[in-house]
Amino acid sequence: NAGVTQTPKFQVLKTGQSMTLQCAQDMNHNSMYWYRQDPGMGLRLIYYSASEGTTDKGEVPNGYNVSRLNKREFSLRLESAAPSQTSVYFCASIGVAGVPAAETQYFGPGTRLLVL
Amino acid sequence: GQQLNQSPQSMFIQEGEDVSMNCTSSSIFNTWLWYKQEPGEGPVLLIALYKAGELTSNGRLTAQFGITRKDSFLNISASIPSDVGIYFCAGQLPHAGNNRKLIWGLGTSLAVNP
Repeated sequence: NAGVTQTPKFQVLKTGQSMTLQCAQDMNHNSMYWYRQDPGMGLRLIYYSASEGTTDKGEVPNGYNVSRLNKREFSLRLESAAPSQTSVYFCASIGVAGVPAAETQYFGPGTRLLVL
Repeated sequence: GQQLNQSPQSMFIQEGEDVSMNCTSSSIFNTWLWYKQEPGEGPVLLIALYKAGELTSNGRLTAQFGITRKDSFLNISASIPSDVGIYFCAGQLPHAGNNRKLIWGLGTSLAVNP
């Protein structure tokens, strides 16, 4: 299992450019999430998808859109990038692991985005 | 948005020392999770707690789910240099529903002097 994968790892954009961050998981998880991480702010939820075909706003959704393409993939799109969107973006999925089985959240390695 | 109060914000210790960090909230949680994040990586789950009063160990790490369900602590015994990283607590509220959203602390940054 590759777990949760994210592409690209790094990206530099100019203000106003658009891009899509890709996320995929091969663990057959239903729920997937997009977070951004900024110094001193911790992890903030942008959007989440409880299951295939559904998406909902999180804490900081403005300036972003998402698509749950299928059960595996959950993409995050910046239509018109702004310097305030410079951040590290993490995708995560929730699955069951351990003994006794319990829900845990798995994170991808992150995408580092710089908007000039 | 809602956040957990995680303390201390940072720690600088000598190798071999024990470490303790905690999270508190004004809300009751059903689940407490402790994650570690190393530079350039995503957070990795260390310990998950699901019952009030539960004490769980993972190697040199021990975490407890507070009796009031409003707090949790993480202890690291006999620290080693590879313990360096940022440790996050996260909690899940009751009735979180299908979305399973977590509330996150701001992290404790740990540095270990060999």
